[in-house]
Amino acid sequence: DAGVTQSPTHLIKTRGQQVTLRCSPISGHKSVSWYQQVLGQGPQFIFQYYEKEERGRGNFPDRFSARQFPNYSSELNVNALLLGDSALYLCASSSGLAENTGELFFGEGSRLTVL
Amino acid sequence: GESVGLHLPTLSVQEGDNSIINCAYSNSASDYFIWYKQESGKGPQFIIDIRSNMDKRQGQRVTVLLNKTVKHLSLQIAATQPGDSAVYFCAEKGVAGRRALTFGSGTRLQVQP
Repeated sequence: DAGVTQSPTHLIKTRGQQVTLRCSPISGHKSVSWYQQVLGQGPQFIFQYYEKEERGRGNFPDRFSARQFPNYSSELNVNALLLGDSALYLCASSSGLAENTGELFFGEGSRLTVL
Repeated sequence: GESVGLHLPTLSVQEGDNSIINCAYSNSASDYFIWYKQESGKGPQFIIDIRSNMDKRQGQRVTVLLNKTVKHLSLQIAATQPGDSAVYFCAEKGVAGRRALTFGSGTRLQVQP
């Protein structure tokens, strides 16, 4: 069975550009969360989507946005890229809202480098 | 602000020995904790979780201990193997919102043959 898949795996952008990252959750999972992991640090929560609605948002600027599609896949968009946006962007899926469990299933991430 | 942190950034152990990875948390209202393992080039992988109404939980070769008095969490790995080499994160639910996980900065476990 396929796990959480993310694309692209690696990408390089320049400051000021925009980027779109994509995520397909595990089949049957309806919730997708996005995390940013800066090198040497733990992941930081960006968004959670469930049934196409935003259910949670972390402390990130409005340059970060996301959406979830009817097939439960998701996109994360970052506008006006800054050098500090360079990070591994992780997508995680769960069957529900994961209110009572931390068992999120993570993809292998999209490594973004901003020059 | 509230945070989840780790005492040591790197832990080196001999193969076959037991490993203990520690984590301190500051939010006394936290009621759920999770340990994740992250291997190089991969996403975090769930290991074990524990609720605040418990002080110990065991899995396969792993044990999590929770000491709410001193706000301390530990992960014990028995008979550490080379495949256990990874970065380990403790995470907390409730700090950044009920549905979000707040991760610590991680401890790198190196298993020496």
